[in-house]
Order: sequence, then structure tokens, then C-alpha cells
Amino acid sequence: ELKVEQNPLFLSMQEGKNYTIYCNYSTTSDRLYWYRQDPGKSLESLFVLLSNGAVKQEGRLMASLDTKARLSTLHITAAVHDLSATYFCAVANNNDMRFGAGTRLTVKP
Amino acid sequence: GAVVSQHPSWVICKSGTSVKIECRSLDFQATTMFWYRQFPKQSLMLMATSNEGSKATYEQGVEKDKFLINHASLTLSTLTVTSAHPEDSSFYICSGKIDYGYTFGSGTRLTVV
Repeated sequence: ELKVEQNPLFLSMQEGKNYTIYCNYSTTSDRLYWYRQDPGKSLESLFVLLSNGAVKQEGRLMASLDTKARLSTLHITAAVHDLSATYFCAVANNNDMRFGAGTRLTVKP
Repeated sequence: GAVVSQHPSWVICKSGTSVKIECRSLDFQATTMFWYRQFPKQSLMLMATSNEGSKATYEQGVEKDKFLINHASLTLSTLTVTSAHPEDSSFYICSGKIDYGYTFGSGTRLTVV
């Protein structure tokens, strides 16, 4: 069974600081996704990672994938308040997609 | 880009009544649609996977007779919560599979009173 573990579950950061969210998964996967969810809203797609060593960056967020370690990271650089949200990783294998528990990020001034 | 339109965005219903949630793929054909439920401050839990023209596949612990899924066309999938109870109150999200990813509906917040 495909399982996804995400940590930390809660993250409180000061503006300007860097931090990394980790996502481990249990079985071989086709694709790994990172999503952002604001309160009361649906999911916003951030990144799709398809292959080992893939790295994608958008603004202050950078995601990477190590398929051998079954690990993806979402790195936050110089956090700003607007990044406060819940971030989910999700792993897909064929038609089966499972979500991590989510990381609730709060960026404080 | 590929868009899934989900309605209603919120609904309040009385206990014992049924509620239908619709998800339409606007500019692509959704042969597969996924239905998720999200309780407050929790992750998305897959309820069922529906394929156009066939019966949905339900996850363990999800009552198929309570959560009726219909995927009769390539652009419409519906979830009907039958005989709703307060414990069914949740955020329901549908998702259509596209090339290398998934596109999510805007979600439906169901409150059963």
C-alpha cells in the first residue's frame, strides 16, 4: 500500500528565514506533487516532479525529488507572510494518488 | 488549462436528506475522476475513483450505498450523499486526471444540521 509521510506537520517561521518540508513515500512512484491549500479553499498545484533528481523552482519555493531515497523536499527561501498556508505532497502510482498529512506553515513578521 | 467546475461550493442540509455534488470537466475529457473528503485540519482522504461508464471503486471503509457516484459521461461526475448525517459534514473535493497531473474542483463544504 502506498503511504506518504510528511513532516513537520506544523511549522512556524519568521519572515526571511529558510526551511525545508520533507515528504517520504513507501513504494515506487510515477510522480510526486506539491500542492498549496489556503483555508477554506481547494488545492493549488505547485510542482510536479517526474524523475529522479528533478528540481523545480517557483519564486521562494523549490522542490526536489530523490526516487532512490523515496524522498521529496520543499524548500522555502526567505519566507514571507504570503506563504502562510498548508502544503501537501502527494504521490501517484498509476491511478492511485495518496496525500501526505500536510504541513501547516505560518510565517510571522 | 484543464478546469474542473464543482458545484455547489457550499450546502447546508437537514439530517436524513440527500445532497448531490457535481463536477464537470470544462475543457478536457475526464475518463477518471477522484473524490476526496477532507475534515477540518486534516489531509485529503480518497473516497472513491470513478471511471466513465463503469462502477466506481470505493476505498476501504467508504459506504458505497451512502456515497453514490455516477460518472455517466466524460464531462460529468456526481457524488450523492444519501441520508446525510452530521458526521458527513466535511469538505468534498473532486479531481480529474490530466496528462501529468490532476486538476481539482473548488470543493464543496457540506454542513448537515
